[in-house]
Amino acid sequence: GEDVEQSLFLSVREGDSSVINCTYTDSSSTYLYWYKQEPGAGLQLLTYIFSNMDMKQDQRLTVLLNKKDKHLSLRIADTQTGDSAIYFCAEINYGGSQGNLIFGKGTKLSVKP
Amino acid sequence: KAGVTQTPRYLIKTRGQQVTLSCSPISGHRSVSWYQQTPGQGLQFLFEYFSETQRNKGNFPGRFSGRQFSNSRSEMNVSTLELGDSALYLCASFPGGGSTGELFFGEGSRLTVL
Repeated sequence: GEDVEQSLFLSVREGDSSVINCTYTDSSSTYLYWYKQEPGAGLQLLTYIFSNMDMKQDQRLTVLLNKKDKHLSLRIADTQTGDSAIYFCAEINYGGSQGNLIFGKGTKLSVKP
Repeated sequence: KAGVTQTPRYLIKTRGQQVTLSCSPISGHRSVSWYQQTPGQGLQFLFEYFSETQRNKGNFPGRFSGRQFSNSRSEMNVSTLELGDSALYLCASFPGGGSTGELFFGEGSRLTVL
């Protein structure tokens, strides 16, 4: 079945770049998403990419998509302590809509001052 | 514009009881989805409603049910609670039809089953 996998932890120093990686299984996914969850809060969409794109840049965020390898990455430039959170990669469940997402387990990003 | 509102935010129940959680989507949004978040399983899709109709359902037992009202507000119900139902239940809404792909999440209802 469909699955989304990502590493569970990442620790970086303030000012460095962070790269969070994700692999997915459904090659027919039209959208791939990155969501952020801060402690005690719901999820917030950070960015998304259409499957016909290789890269998307949005201020400090860069998303790279390798469809051949089904690999998605999120790069955060100049990482700040306020970026400490859990980051989830997600794809649309096969045959579903944007309301029916398969999420990875989340990568907990810790930013050290 | 008010965000997605979930009530109650926290609740404690005992095994065998039932619980009803409520979600008010963003005004104008016609689609509501529910997710269960636990440390072990992560985020798992429960169901999705659009215009009062269940459009998709995840792989959960029949004890989990939901509905959507004509004003797009949604409720989910869990009957005969088990310890493993302890989780954060997240509701999300989006406009429905053709849209950009963003799901707007509420802050969740944290259920503890004793």
